[in-house]
Amino acid sequence: IAGITQAPTSQILAAGRRMTLRCTQDMRHNAMYWYRQDLGLGLRLIHYSNTAGTTGKGEVPDGYSVSRANTDDFPLTLASAVPSQTSVYFCASSDSEGATEAFFGQGTRLTVV
Amino acid sequence: GQNIDQPTEMTATEGAIVQINCTYQTSGFNGLFWYQQHAGEAPTFLSYNVLDGLEEKGRFSSFLSRSKGYSYLLLKELQMKDSASYLCAVTDSNYQLIWGAGTKLIIKP
Repeated sequence: IAGITQAPTSQILAAGRRMTLRCTQDMRHNAMYWYRQDLGLGLRLIHYSNTAGTTGKGEVPDGYSVSRANTDDFPLTLASAVPSQTSVYFCASSDSEGATEAFFGQGTRLTVV
Repeated sequence: GQNIDQPTEMTATEGAIVQINCTYQTSGFNGLFWYQQHAGEAPTFLSYNVLDGLEEKGRFSSFLSRSKGYSYLLLKELQMKDSASYLCAVTDSNYQLIWGAGTKLIIKP
């Protein structure tokens, strides 16, 4: 692993199903983020974690949950997927929240049908 | 509310210079970032400004005026590979990143 890795890269999901998007980084960064990116809206923060064991809500947290059991992993769970959650999801990490450059995973393209 | 404005799309010619503007209104300011994002790929870091003035990095330069809530990204000697979206992001007083919607730059031969 080099940098930050997301899985899966793409997924088609039936509405109502539960889904976990995985994110792992090997840079020992304290802060991690989940964004969704929709055409014309830019990146919107879903949830974040400033350090292992803590999480916080971003701009659009409804329908999503996260956990940060250790420094490296930051999974995002959709409890019951809806079509409006169709988007490209990016996980990112930075050495400290907001003050240093963020490194992004390659993204997960999720389609909820 | 917090807001970052960038032009939606710009077109420029290969070999020319282009300036992409970003204006922001945020609760506090702790730095401004520019990222490049090619279609279908993840954003990658270009520059960071926290003090007023110009930061130069090769063909790319970024300028910041905190009093005006304004930044620009200057791209010189444009190449076809510079066709991408350019994202402006500001760190607010809570150290949260606020993102603009991005400027799609189209380079024509």
